[in-house]
Amino acid sequence: EEQLVESGGGLFQPGGSLTLSCAPSGFTVRSRYMSWVRQAPGKGLEWVAVFYTAGSTYYADSVQGRFIISRDDSNNTLSLHVSSLRVEDTGVYYCARATGYPSALDLWGQGTLVTVSS
Amino acid sequence: DIQMTQSPSSLSASVGDRVTVTCRASQAIDNSLAWYQQKPGRAPKLLLYHASRLQTGVPSRFSGSGSGTDYIFTITSLQPEDFATYYCQQYYRSPITFGGGTKVEIK
Repeated sequence: EEQLVESGGGLFQPGGSLTLSCAPSGFTVRSRYMSWVRQAPGKGLEWVAVFYTAGSTYYADSVQGRFIISRDDSNNTLSLHVSSLRVEDTGVYYCARATGYPSALDLWGQGTLVTVSS
Repeated sequence: DIQMTQSPSSLSASVGDRVTVTCRASQAIDNSLAWYQQKPGRAPKLLLYHASRLQTGVPSRFSGSGSGTDYIFTITSLQPEDFATYYCQQYYRSPITFGGGTKVEIK
């Protein structure tokens, strides 16, 4: 069964940084367009970044400059590094798969909760 | 960015009811629209893409229609497991954007 598993969430301080990871099973990250989508508590879905199969990246304007999406083909993982953390970065972060970008997201992980608070 | 407006934001319905949700895009999106279901504490699940195409394994009581800027999501006979929040998402133009969600609650 194909699935995505995120990790790396927790409690972080404003101004700090974190790295989230996403590990797929049943397929390779390099074969798909891989995105991160976040959801603030009680709010809707917000797309934040995508890693294209060819290796390029694209970010939402709201996170440009603070978020870095990366891919490790040897370990078959996707990562999201977030710096200069803000309280408003709090939420559940999902990795999701697509066959292109822009496209529908056909497989999502269970999410990892990030809480930014002093 | 293309803005997606869903309505209503919430609704109450009974098992067996027909439920409809609308999604309006700020510009024409040529059927490049997906619908997702999200249950509390769970990840979103893709139900429909290209406005009306059912994702594999999704029950046929879910359907979608529309064109241009206006799209409709329908559950023909609401089942107990369908109580959830539903989101539309456009993928006509980058960045992909989501509607605000419609929470379907038990009446």
